[in-house]
Amino acid sequence: EAGVAQSPRYKIIEKRQSVAFWCNPISGHATLYWYQQILGQGPKLLIQFQNNGVVDDSQLPKDRFSAERLKGVDSTLKIQPAKLEDSAVYLCASSISGPTDTQYFGPGTRLTVL
Amino acid sequence: KNQVEQSPQSLIILEGKNCTLQCNYTVSPFSNLRWYKQDTGRGPVSLTIMTFSENTKSNGRYTATLDADTKQSSLHITASQLSDSASYICVVSEKGGYNKLIFGAGTRLAVHP
Repeated sequence: EAGVAQSPRYKIIEKRQSVAFWCNPISGHATLYWYQQILGQGPKLLIQFQNNGVVDDSQLPKDRFSAERLKGVDSTLKIQPAKLEDSAVYLCASSISGPTDTQYFGPGTRLTVL
Repeated sequence: KNQVEQSPQSLIILEGKNCTLQCNYTVSPFSNLRWYKQDTGRGPVSLTIMTFSENTKSNGRYTATLDADTKQSSLHITASQLSDSASYICVVSEKGGYNKLIFGAGTRLAVHP
């Protein structure tokens, strides 16, 4: 079974630039999550999709972050414009139906904002 | 406020020794508690998941315990190996609605030869 795929693995940008991350969840998984993990901290949920609908985006900084999951499969997370404090690892995870199921995480995208 | 606190923040042990990591939570209502292992540069991988009625669960050399009354969990690692060097994250699911997951900051374990 293929795991959760993410790209790119690393990205370096300057502040005020834009960046986009891509996630392909495990086939058949209805729920998709984006997390932000700052060095030395646990992951923080940014947004949770159930199929192509948003379930929870309460911690997403909506003035600069946006995410979509067209057709209920792949997802993209965008930051525009980036700030220094956005430097972190962005993790994508998926589960079969919801948070009571095991979450499978991708390898993450490490973003550095200079 | 729903929180998950882990201790210690970091730990160094010698290969072959045992260790125990702690997790205290204030999440209510409670749905389940999970332990994840996160290797450097990788995403977390699930080790165990326990519901309210379960007080112990094992996965190889990893044994998790749960005391729902005191809202405490522990992860015991037996006969540690160098490959156990990682961060261990405790995650508690809040019951209701979409079962929000609340993550601890993790315990960073280093196993030395």
